[in-house]
Amino acid sequence: DVQLVESGGGLVKPGGSLRLSCAASGITFSNAWMSWVRQAPGKGLEWVGRIKDKTEGETRDYAAPVKGRFTISRDDSKNTLYLQMSSLKTEDTAVYYCTTAHYGYFDHWGQGTLVTVSS
Amino acid sequence: DIVMTQSPDSLAVSLGERATINCKSSQSLFYSSKNKNYLAWYQQKPGQPPKLLIYWASTRESGVPDRFSGSGSGTDFTLTISSLQAEDVAVYYCQHYYSTPHTFGQGTKLEI
Repeated sequence: DVQLVESGGGLVKPGGSLRLSCAASGITFSNAWMSWVRQAPGKGLEWVGRIKDKTEGETRDYAAPVKGRFTISRDDSKNTLYLQMSSLKTEDTAVYYCTTAHYGYFDHWGQGTLVTVSS
Repeated sequence: DIVMTQSPDSLAVSLGERATINCKSSQSLFYSSKNKNYLAWYQQKPGQPPKLLIYWASTRESGVPDRFSGSGSGTDFTLTISSLQAEDVAVYYCQHYYSTPHTFGQGTKLEI
């Protein structure tokens, strides 16, 4: 069974930083393209960004609202995906989900981790 | 960026009846060299992560009941639930993966 387990969420002040992690099991992580998707409280789903696998140069793409502030990375030796978030804004408050995304659709999801940006 | 627009925003359907949700994209999602439409549908129940139902516009994910079906091509797509069950109450989202950003529709809340 595929398992994706996010961690690292919490309360952070505007302008602060936070790093989320996503531990993967049940998949060949090194071959997997991975994405982050977020959901603000009571709102819809928003794609945050994607990282391809090493054979594709670990190419990264980001949504416009987070480009230049968020960085996606991966450690294939640890089967772990990361989302480094900096210059956080109140509008970044959301549940952040880690997903597999090899063809672009999201076939496996974690349970999510809540990030709250508030003073 | 490709904009995804779902209709209606909410829908009430009786048990056993058919539910239809529409999704329109601002650009064609049909990739001719692959002969595929780059569109997926998800179901999200309260307090849970979304669940993939349909990909390539009409391919049902493993384990998804066959009362769920996807259709359409180009810019117009439909998710149909042929006979609504109580457990189908949820919010449904379409999403394109033709190009980045992989945007979602705003969601359709399905109630009984």
